[in-house]
Amino acid sequence: DQQVKQNSPSLSVQEGRISILNCDYTNSMFDYFLWYKKYPAEGPTFLISISSIKDKNEDGRFTVFLNKSAKHLSLHIVPSQPGDSAVYFCAGGDNTDKLIFGTGTRLQVFP
Amino acid sequence: KAGVTQTPRYLIKTRGQQVTLSCSPISGHRSVSWYQQTPGQGLQFLFEYFSETQRNKGNFPGRFSGRQFSNSRSEMNVSTLELGDSALYLCASSSTSGGVYEQYFGPGTRLTVT
Repeated sequence: DQQVKQNSPSLSVQEGRISILNCDYTNSMFDYFLWYKKYPAEGPTFLISISSIKDKNEDGRFTVFLNKSAKHLSLHIVPSQPGDSAVYFCAGGDNTDKLIFGTGTRLQVFP
Repeated sequence: KAGVTQTPRYLIKTRGQQVTLSCSPISGHRSVSWYQQTPGQGLQFLFEYFSETQRNKGNFPGRFSGRQFSNSRSEMNVSTLELGDSALYLCASSSTSGGVYEQYFGPGTRLTVT
């Protein structure tokens, strides 16, 4: 049972435009959600998190939206830059430090 | 503040051998989690330690074990290595500050089993 799903394996966006990465979850017990950026053979880089009691969190170019009724969250990157090209993972966590990861979305930002 | 560090970065072992990986969390972080990343299974949770106690464990066989020391540094051990254990092993430490939860990962140890 995949508790966290990223249904789009890839996304291509022009530089300067908005990138929207989506994530769905099934576990209602998640207390928080995190987004990571990852390059091959490296550890994930933490980008932004959101508590389940919030519906939005913003940090610079990154904004995460949470829709609990739809069990859906999204990461918005504005404006997108070529350096944002990477694989993005969303993850859900409960009251422990165990994270359940999605399968990732590969973002490519082209000039 | 230094990030999460992991040693070694790369390791090649033979089937049947055992291996120990090391992780030092961010200073002040008391929780350390371990994950395995493979192309087929993605990022999967192995176990988590807090104050030298294992608090949570993923669905991995008993060949995978870990421990945490009083300085929060952690080690994981894999015994009787199998080819399928080839993966990137990631360690993470976490904190909650101002109601915001964050979990930071180290660079990983790439284990190749031949």
